Amino acid sequence: TQLLKQSPQFLSIQEGENLTVYCNSSSVFSSLQWYRQEPGEGPVLLVTVVTGGEVKKLKRLTFQFGDARKDSSLHITAAQPGDTGLYLCAGGITGFQKLVFGTGTRLLVSP
Amino acid sequence: DAGVIQSPRHEVTEMGQEVTLRCKPISGHDYLFWYRQTMMRGLELLIYFNNNVPIDDSGMPEDRFSAKMPNASFSTLKIQPSEPRDSAVYFCASSLAGVRWSKGYEQYFGPGTRLTVT
Repeated sequence: TQLLKQSPQFLSIQEGENLTVYCNSSSVFSSLQWYRQEPGEGPVLLVTVVTGGEVKKLKRLTFQFGDARKDSSLHITAAQPGDTGLYLCAGGITGFQKLVFGTGTRLLVSP
Repeated sequence: DAGVIQSPRHEVTEMGQEVTLRCKPISGHDYLFWYRQTMMRGLELLIYFNNNVPIDDSGMPEDRFSAKMPNASFSTLKIQPSEPRDSAVYFCASSLAGVRWSKGYEQYFGPGTRLTVT
């Protein structure tokens, strides 16, 4: 069974701080996606990374796929209250369309 | 473009009653997924379809759960009889495979149905 463990589970910070969320597995994934979910809504795709070592930036968010394609990180610079939400990583498995979702990280950014 | 549509958004029912959740995927998408989300267990895949055919239902918790996809634009998830432990948010998601594999397996989620069984 492929599992994706995220850390930390919960994070409460002040506006302007930086943070990093980690997504780790012992399995290799063909792609890694990050989603953000706000209360009362479904998860929304932020980014997809497919190459080991790949780094993608989305404004203040930086995503990295591990060299061995077993882990990923999400770094937020100068967090804002609008970044508040549940962050989910999800791994794609070659040959299967389904995703393996991580355990989630709840982020609260206070003004 | 319309996203994934789910109905109802909220459902409150009594234990033992039948519950039917509905989903309309994004037009042209060929994969449809049903998930359940709880605080304790996170986001769990229940079943998914490809071109209206069930591919993997290993996540369906019990025989009380069933899902159908009679055509490319409609799917249902039915719970009969419902139990309090079925209370959760149920999501439907769709995706398009085979195009631009470099983008991975992006899924597009609906807003969810919050089910409460009393």
